Amino acid sequence: DTGVSQDPRHKITKRGQNVTFRCDPISEHNRLYWYRQTLGQGPEFLTYFQNEAQLEKSRLLSDRFSAERPKGSFSTLEIQRTEQGDSAMYLCASSLRDRGGGYTFGSGTRLTVV
Amino acid sequence: GESVGLHLPTLSVQEGDNSIINCAYSNSASDYFIWYKQESGKGPQFIIDIRSNMDKRQGQRVTVLLNKTVKHLSLQIAATQPGDSAVYFCAENRVGGGSNYKLTFGKGTLLTVNP
Repeated sequence: DTGVSQDPRHKITKRGQNVTFRCDPISEHNRLYWYRQTLGQGPEFLTYFQNEAQLEKSRLLSDRFSAERPKGSFSTLEIQRTEQGDSAMYLCASSLRDRGGGYTFGSGTRLTVV
Repeated sequence: GESVGLHLPTLSVQEGDNSIINCAYSNSASDYFIWYKQESGKGPQFIIDIRSNMDKRQGQRVTVLLNKTVKHLSLQIAATQPGDSAVYFCAENRVGGGSNYKLTFGKGTLLTVNP
């Protein structure tokens, strides 16, 4: 296993379009997280899955955002009706249940909304 | 509020010198702290962590110091190399109590190593 994979690496979309990102975590990790990072800032927590259950969503995640992890393996993050303020790096991370906070992050998907 | 912040946004050092990156946290309930390194275009990379029952932990060329009295965390990098140039983030976590999954990051310090 080479780590956490995210696809695509870059996405440019027009305002109002829908986009979907994919994350493949480390196979034995049962916890999966989505974070968002804007330029010059640290990552901000968006949502968290334990296996296929989505256990928390941040208030940053508006109704236009939805995340799934249907089989407890890969996850998708969809943004509907994108806005320019959605432009950011979307990071996925995974961990084992008892790892504390030492997550393994992917390289992220950079979204640009024009 | 609960937050993790950094004293300095940028740090420039000469190759071979030691680097010290500082971080302040405000949540006294935090009991687990992590330092991450993020290179341009990449995700954060775990460097070292420390639990609140410790005040020092050493890794390969890195040392993390935790001062719970003043809620201060620092990362020391020995013999800094050009490959250490990156943004460094501290993050805090509260293990247990149902919130052990959520990391709170600071803004980051840009470390530049001059040859």
